[in-house]
Amino acid sequence: DVVMTQSPLSLPVTLGQPASISCRSSQSLVHSDGNTYLNWFQQRPGQSPRRLIYKVSNRDSGVPDRFSGSGSGTDFTLKISRVEAEDVGVYYCMQGSHWPWTFGQGTKVEIK
Amino acid sequence: QVQLQESGPGLVKPSETLSLSCSVSGGSISNSYWSWIRQPPGKGLEWIGYIYNSGSTNYNPSLRSRVTISVDTSKSQFSLKLSSVTAADTAVYYCARDNVLLWFGELSSTGMDVWGQGTTVTVSS
Repeated sequence: DVVMTQSPLSLPVTLGQPASISCRSSQSLVHSDGNTYLNWFQQRPGQSPRRLIYKVSNRDSGVPDRFSGSGSGTDFTLKISRVEAEDVGVYYCMQGSHWPWTFGQGTKVEIK
Repeated sequence: QVQLQESGPGLVKPSETLSLSCSVSGGSISNSYWSWIRQPPGKGLEWIGYIYNSGSTNYNPSLRSRVTISVDTSKSQFSLKLSSVTAADTAVYYCARDNVLLWFGELSSTGMDVWGQGTTVTVSS
């Protein structure tokens, strides 16, 4: 299985400041169709996960543009340009390029 | 929009079979892939498996010997059965719509875009 490794696992941030989460995969996520199926999810406290970004950099409908995804191959990043209080929660990367799908351990974002 | 609702017993005895259902409303169960994902207390997410409305399934190899996912299109429901459960199967179980693509026999997923609220299952005698 592809192992997804996130860092940091805990991220205290100041409101209005940027935040960045790294996700690395144990093998390239470039699919045989040429696409890279790296997706990001947000799980707010007490809620179900919500998809934020799919295929590296495509934001879901309703996701604020302060969230952005980038990366290629085995190295990916989720950035929040200016953290707001509603961004508190755990963020997971997930790879959908190699079956079975696997998730990272999660990064907990909290306000300092 | 599509909504999902899990249902089933919150307590299962060790060695017995965990059975959950997921009701799909606000849209068709057809022509979509439907997944089960679980989250042990304080831990991360684990994909269990999916089913297509035709009945085609795919399971995580780590659970394959114990998992069965089925669909009842007439009821707009799909179900999960996990046999021979132990305390390690205690988790919040989510059903979700999975965006699976098939390209010349190769699978891929852009992730789960609709999730149920989750149901807590505890394995204990």
